[in-house]
Amino acid sequence: EPEVTQTPSHQVTQMGQEVILRCVPISNHLYFYWYRQILGQKVEFLVSFYNNEISEKSEIFDDQFSVERPDGSNFTLKIRSTKLEDSAMYFCASSGGMDEQFFGPGTRLTVL
Amino acid sequence: GQQLNQSPQSMFIQEGEDVSMNCTSSSIFNTWLWYKQDPGEGPVLLIALYKAGELTSNGRLTAQFGITRKDSFLNISASIPSDVGIYFCAGRRINTGTASKLTFGTGTRLQVTL
Repeated sequence: EPEVTQTPSHQVTQMGQEVILRCVPISNHLYFYWYRQILGQKVEFLVSFYNNEISEKSEIFDDQFSVERPDGSNFTLKIRSTKLEDSAMYFCASSGGMDEQFFGPGTRLTVL
Repeated sequence: GQQLNQSPQSMFIQEGEDVSMNCTSSSIFNTWLWYKQDPGEGPVLLIALYKAGELTSNGRLTAQFGITRKDSFLNISASIPSDVGIYFCAGRRINTGTASKLTFGTGTRLQVTL
């Protein structure tokens, strides 16, 4: 069964460093998303992406964040200068259309 | 912003019991989804609901899309130990031609005792 994959599973970085989180969405899906979940809290929307551009972004998704689909399979989230409060689980999701979103296993980002 | 409140926040039940949880919102949604999340993993889709009043089952799980489009319910029958986890509702407003975000609820933590 096709699934969303994410790498790395765990990323530890120093405050101020750049990180890139990678996702491979389900192959025939057209809509892509990033969400994050701070430990013990609910899942929060960051950004959605369709037709090679951002469809919507939340207040969390400020100038330090960017997304890219560099080729036909990968979807990346970059944080330019990480802050302590960026520590969270980051989930990639994809959907085939106006239907269900399928989530990856997540990347745990720890900022020291 | 949109807020989805789930109740109960957590529940302990005995194996074999039925479980009910709900999700309410001050806003209308076009789609309701229910996800289960195990510790350290991503949310796994359980059920999707698309029309007000819709009742959908997936094995021991049954979910309903409220008539007002501001709420949804999830029932689990005859619970088993592997039902343990956090259950999230998520609502979506569909924007044609764009990728529509999900707004997640606060979660219901289910623990099952033997």
